[in-house]
Amino acid sequence: DGGITQSPKYLFRKEGQNVTLSCEQNLNHDAMYWYRQDPGQGLRLIYYSQIVNDFQKGDIAEGYSVSREKKESFPLTVTSAQKNPTAFYLCASSIGVGQGAGANVLTFGAGSRLTVL
Amino acid sequence: AQTVTQSQPEMSVQEAETVTLSCTYDTSESDYYLFWYKQPPSRQMILVIRQEAYKQQNATENRFSVNFQKAAKSFSLKISDSQLGDAAMYFCAYRRRLDNNNDMRFGAGTRLTVKP
Repeated sequence: DGGITQSPKYLFRKEGQNVTLSCEQNLNHDAMYWYRQDPGQGLRLIYYSQIVNDFQKGDIAEGYSVSREKKESFPLTVTSAQKNPTAFYLCASSIGVGQGAGANVLTFGAGSRLTVL
Repeated sequence: AQTVTQSQPEMSVQEAETVTLSCTYDTSESDYYLFWYKQPPSRQMILVIRQEAYKQQNATENRFSVNFQKAAKSFSLKISDSQLGDAAMYFCAYRRRLDNNNDMRFGAGTRLTVKP
């Protein structure tokens, strides 16, 4: 079945460490996104990528980095510069902009819960 | 910037009854999409229903329907014949139709409890 796989589901980090969250999709989608979810708040966009080897900052990109070397993969690194990284992280994808109405629909992964110890 | 407001942090409904979740949004655009996403305890976000702003007819998907009031910038979700499996967080979201970047905005969510 096509979908988005995020790993690990749970991750613990010590302060000062960088960690990388994996996101893989087999939907042949061009666009991929990373969102952060905190209690009582909606999803906030961290980074997005419309095409391989290109990505853009979202609303809360500080302390995060991404890469998009393959269409299927969009890993997110939470760096030590992120002051409050404990949160639930969601990866999403969509067909590319300009490819019809489906471009506006996001398909989500199951998420990764990051806790800083 | 566009904002999405869900004024009901929590709602509850009796099984088999009907419940309506509220959502308002602020935009100066005329062409956009509105969405309701469901996040069950598994935390997987699932698309419930989508509405295109240029369509006057309200979208429906089985037991789920919306009341889209463009002038009032209101987009409520009605769940009929509520089932235990409907218990979840529900997020309202907005996105411009023509978008060269990602501008999907989410509300803070409404937690729906279904009582047996």
